[in-house]
Amino acid sequence: GENVEQHPSTLSVQEGDSAVIKCTYSDSASNYFPWYKQELGKRPQLIIDIRSNVGEKKDQRIAVTLNKTAKHFSLHITETQPEDSAVYFCAASNSGGSNYKLTFGKGTLLTVNP
Amino acid sequence: NAGVTQTPKFRVLKTGQSMTLLCAQDMNHEYMYWYRQDPGMGLRLIHYSVGEGTTAKGEVPDGYNVSRLKKQNFLLGLESAAPSQTSVYFCASKNAGPEETQYFGPGTRLLVL
Repeated sequence: GENVEQHPSTLSVQEGDSAVIKCTYSDSASNYFPWYKQELGKRPQLIIDIRSNVGEKKDQRIAVTLNKTAKHFSLHITETQPEDSAVYFCAASNSGGSNYKLTFGKGTLLTVNP
Repeated sequence: NAGVTQTPKFRVLKTGQSMTLLCAQDMNHEYMYWYRQDPGMGLRLIHYSVGEGTTAKGEVPDGYNVSRLKKQNFLLGLESAAPSQTSVYFCASKNAGPEETQYFGPGTRLLVL
C-alpha cells in the first residue's frame, strides 16, 4: 500500500518568513495530492490540492509543487502570519482505480511567531 | 447545511464497555470514512464505505466494526473498548469522483480507562 513520509514534524518561523513542508510517497500510481490544515481542537480542512498532470499550483500565499519522478511534493507558505499556525497534513491517493482512500503523512506543527 | 456531524463530542469508557459513534452527513455524499488521530501518528483510516450497505477495512480496523444502513449515516462500533483505543475519532465524507474533497466532522474524543 501507499506510504507517505512528511518532514519536518515541527517548524517554527518568524512572522513574514516563508515555510516549506515536504512529503514523499511510495506508490508511483498515486496521482492526487491534497493538503489539509488542522487548527488546535478543530477538524482538518482542505487548503490546496494538486493533480499529477500539474507541476505547481498557487492560491494566494500558498503553493504546492509536485515532482513525479522523485515522488515528492511540497507545500510553500509565503509571508506567514500567526493565523497560519496549525498542523498541516499532506496526503496521497490513486484516484484512477477503485481506491478511494487517502493516505496521510504524520503532520507538521507549524508555529508562526509574531 | 450542517455538513458532517458527529455524536458524541466526548466520551469516557471503562475497559470492556461498548459504544457506538455516529457520523451523519447532509451532502448526499457516496463515500464515508472513519479515522483515528493519535499524537505524532497523523490520521489513520479505520474503515470506509463507498455506498449504502457497503463497508471495507482500512489501515487499522481491529477492534472496530462499522455499518452503513442509510446513505447519510456511518456508525463506528467498539464492542469491547481497550485503553489503546483512546483517541480522537474523525468521520469524513466525499462525493463520488476520483478527486473530490473529503470533508471532516468535528471529531469525537474518546478516553478509555
